[in-house]
Amino acid sequence: DAGITQSPRHKVTETGTPVTLRCHQTENHRYMYWYRQDPGHGLRLIHYSYGVKDTDKGEVSDGYSVSRSKTEDFLLTLESATSSQTSVYFCAISEFYVSGNTIYFGEGSWLTVV
Amino acid sequence: KNEVEQSPQNLTAQEGEFITINCSYSVGISALHWLQQHPGGGIVSLFMLSSGKKKHGRLIATINIQEKHSSLHITASHPRDSAVYICAVSFITQGGSEKLVFGKGTKLTVNP
Repeated sequence: DAGITQSPRHKVTETGTPVTLRCHQTENHRYMYWYRQDPGHGLRLIHYSYGVKDTDKGEVSDGYSVSRSKTEDFLLTLESATSSQTSVYFCAISEFYVSGNTIYFGEGSWLTVV
Repeated sequence: KNEVEQSPQNLTAQEGEFITINCSYSVGISALHWLQQHPGGGIVSLFMLSSGKKKHGRLIATINIQEKHSSLHITASHPRDSAVYICAVSFITQGGSEKLVFGKGTKLTVNP
């Protein structure tokens, strides 16, 4: 199994509070992604990173920020959580090789904003 | 913008049936992935394809680069195959970074 862990795995928080989700990898992959998964929408990209301090927005980035200060950690922050951000959040890592690319997912973080 | 369309969205089958799930995409890609997600579970990669066909046990994945289409087949389906199957494509942006785009998934239910 790929070395990718998410924390926390489950969290309940109140509207308006800040929340940070952490994705940690031991595979030294360049690319890291944060997705949210909601019924009827599938996986939607929030932000991604293609190297330390190199990040870019995805399709649903409003209300989220990210940071990557070292290769192994990619943090997702909800500055002021809203009920619409209740979701399951998945981190993924990826790397390119001559033969193609690999992709691995974390186990997911269930976030409930009340 | 690369769009990924999967069909069908939902599929119910009887144990033993041959299953086909389709994936179409709109622009050139570097690779296509088939992923599996069991209820309440994590997401695992089944196949990575850049051309041709791959087989793993009862699962077969094919890709036609010219037609921008891939299929995932399950032979002799079993209730434990019940899961959501997700197609994902990776491509290089104009800036040179990799992006992944996902289909919305196909929910497969195999009844005994």
